[in-house]
Amino acid sequence: EAQVTQNPRYLITVTGKKLTVTCSQNMNHEYMSWYRQDPGLGLRQIYYSMNVEVTDKGDVPEGYKVSRKEKRNFPLILESPSPNQTSLYFCASSQGPGNTIYFGEGSWLTVV
Amino acid sequence: GQQVMQIPQYQHVQEGEDFTTYCNSSTTLSNIQWYKQRPGGHPVFLIQLVKSGEVKKQKRLTFQFGEAKKNSSLHITATQTTDVGTYFCAGDQAGTALIFGKGTTLSVSS
Repeated sequence: EAQVTQNPRYLITVTGKKLTVTCSQNMNHEYMSWYRQDPGLGLRQIYYSMNVEVTDKGDVPEGYKVSRKEKRNFPLILESPSPNQTSLYFCASSQGPGNTIYFGEGSWLTVV
Repeated sequence: GQQVMQIPQYQHVQEGEDFTTYCNSSTTLSNIQWYKQRPGGHPVFLIQLVKSGEVKKQKRLTFQFGEAKKNSSLHITATQTTDVGTYFCAGDQAGTALIFGKGTTLSVSS
C-alpha cells in the first residue's frame, strides 16, 4: 500500500528542546516536502527536496531544517522550537513538484 | 509570486443543498488539483484537471477548469454529511511546486 509515514503523530515539547519529525515514503518518489497547516492560513510549504541531497526552502523555512540522505526519508528538524511553531505538520511525497501529492497523516506539535 | 485564492473560506449548508467552491490564480496554470481533508485527517487527492475548459465528474462532484486556465470550481450536488471537510485547490505553474489555496471548509447539517 502506498504510504507516507510520519512520526510522532502527537508531541508536546518545551521551548528550545530540539526535536525531529521523521517521514518515510514507500512509493520511490523523488519529490518530498513538508507543510504546516494553521487555521486560516491553509497549507504552507516549509522545505522541499527534489532528490537525494537536494533540498530547498519553501515559503516558511525559518526555524526548520531538513535532510535527504536517502530517497525514502525526509526528516524535519526543529533545532530550537518556539511556541509559534505549534502547528499541524504534514510530510508529503510525489513523483515531481507538480504531480499528485500523497500526504502523511500529520503530526500535531505543541511547543510550550 | 503566484497566488491561488479560494472562496469562500467557510460554507454551511443543509443536507441536500448544493455547494460550490471557487479557485482563482493570478497566473495561468498548467494543471489544477483538488484535495479533500476530512476533520482530523490529512488532505487526500480528488482529481486533476489539465485541459482548458475541462469538466470532470465524480458522482455528485463536478470539477471545472476555466477556459483561460486561471480558475476552477468544485460543485457538490445534494450535499451529504459525508461531504464535510475542507476542500483545497492546488495550482501548478509549469512544473513548479503546487501552490495551495487556503481551502473552503464545508459543514453540513442534517
